[in-house]
Amino acid sequence: DAKTTQPPSMDCAEGRAANLPCNHSTISGNEYVYWYRQIHSQGPQYIIHGLKNNETNEMASLIITEDRKSSTLILPHATLRDTAVYYCIVRATSGGSYIPTFGRGTSLIVHP
Amino acid sequence: DTEVTQTPKHLVMGMTNKKSLKCEQHMGHRAMYWYKQKAKKPPELMFVYSYEKLSINESVPSRFSPECPNSSLLNLHLHALQPEDSALYLCASSRQGRAEKLFFGSGTQLSVL
Repeated sequence: DAKTTQPPSMDCAEGRAANLPCNHSTISGNEYVYWYRQIHSQGPQYIIHGLKNNETNEMASLIITEDRKSSTLILPHATLRDTAVYYCIVRATSGGSYIPTFGRGTSLIVHP
Repeated sequence: DTEVTQTPKHLVMGMTNKKSLKCEQHMGHRAMYWYKQKAKKPPELMFVYSYEKLSINESVPSRFSPECPNSSLLNLHLHALQPEDSALYLCASSRQGRAEKLFFGSGTQLSVL
């Protein structure tokens, strides 16, 4: 299974860009990188995913390196409500089923 | 409707009780999941249902018994739990396929006394 490595914590000033890195050096060619976040005591929320190309949606941008061994989630203008734990996930396979396995994630604190 | 609804939101039970957690979605998703999350830890996968059939059981003790009565509902039956089973139980659903995102419910906070 491809594993991910993220810094345990980061902080960011409100209004600035938050850049959250993730290493997934054992990713295989057909595995997608997903990002979710979890605000305290709520269920995780999908943010974005990608395979090879950079992706952008209304929540964030995802930059994937050319060798696909790492990626960065960018929140362009962080707000206090973006304080959460951010999980980078590579979907592993087991017997034909796809298992979303969460690592420890990065606790992002956005401060005023 | 893009919601996954879990009930109850909070549950307190004794070690001899039998209770059930419920999860419902109306997005037509055919994959449904149970996760367990202890405080300050990431969610841990327990079970995966695919087309109403159990496809993955991550070596979960038999005191947890999942059930998928139809494509919209997922239950988790609890019996003879231990205090260490106290956790947030999360349900999720997704379409089938390699690149499908998960939709999570808000979870049931379970306390076993």
